Amino acid sequence: DSGVTQTPKHLITATGQRVTLRCSPRSGDLSVYWYQQSLDQGLQFLIQYYNGEERAKGNILERFSAQQFPDLHSELNLSSLELGDSALYFCASSVGALQGADTEAFFGQGTRLTVV
Amino acid sequence: LAKTTQPISMDSYEGQEVNITCSHNNIATNDYITWYQQFPSQGPRFIIQGYKTKVTNEVASLFIPADRKSSTLSLPRVSLSDTAVYYCLVGGGSGGGADGLTFGKGTHLIIQP
Repeated sequence: DSGVTQTPKHLITATGQRVTLRCSPRSGDLSVYWYQQSLDQGLQFLIQYYNGEERAKGNILERFSAQQFPDLHSELNLSSLELGDSALYFCASSVGALQGADTEAFFGQGTRLTVV
Repeated sequence: LAKTTQPISMDSYEGQEVNITCSHNNIATNDYITWYQQFPSQGPRFIIQGYKTKVTNEVASLFIPADRKSSTLSLPRVSLSDTAVYYCLVGGGSGGGADGLTFGKGTHLIIQP
């Protein structure tokens, strides 16, 4: 158990809908990262928050948005869903923002989103 | 952002030592080298991290030559449960943000009995 909690574990929804994925980081971790992993794309970095503020942005679509709340949990909102959005969505957390600088990230178990 | 190159796949047998090499020719002075392991349908798990020379922990060793343009993850006496995808990441330091968490394609390691 990494200490990072993601809910829901599975989500099936129809095209055009909107969903919210939730992530609770490890206690004390200030950074939260979101990743998308589909079969043919590998792990794609979407966005990072540090202590409530956006820190880095990756290949996140305009239909997707995220935020980190004062209690440090984070939500990833996916709207106007398309079939191609079906994937595993991972959240990770780390103590600091300088990922890789003698710190490690802890990943949750992921949310499997299926768009039908 | 330093790009990494790893073998797409490797296989070995139980009890053998497995070495996975990662090339990172454009590594920056402040970059760290980090390896993650991922099992199917699970989130990646940190294995080991280093900056230079050799680092060893309870599960692996990481060898980094003086020029730091490559690194080798060494898994001693592998078992079937070591079958997974292994990612080499380079970044962090003053680059900050998630530069250290940009994943490539990884190496699919398959351990056979």
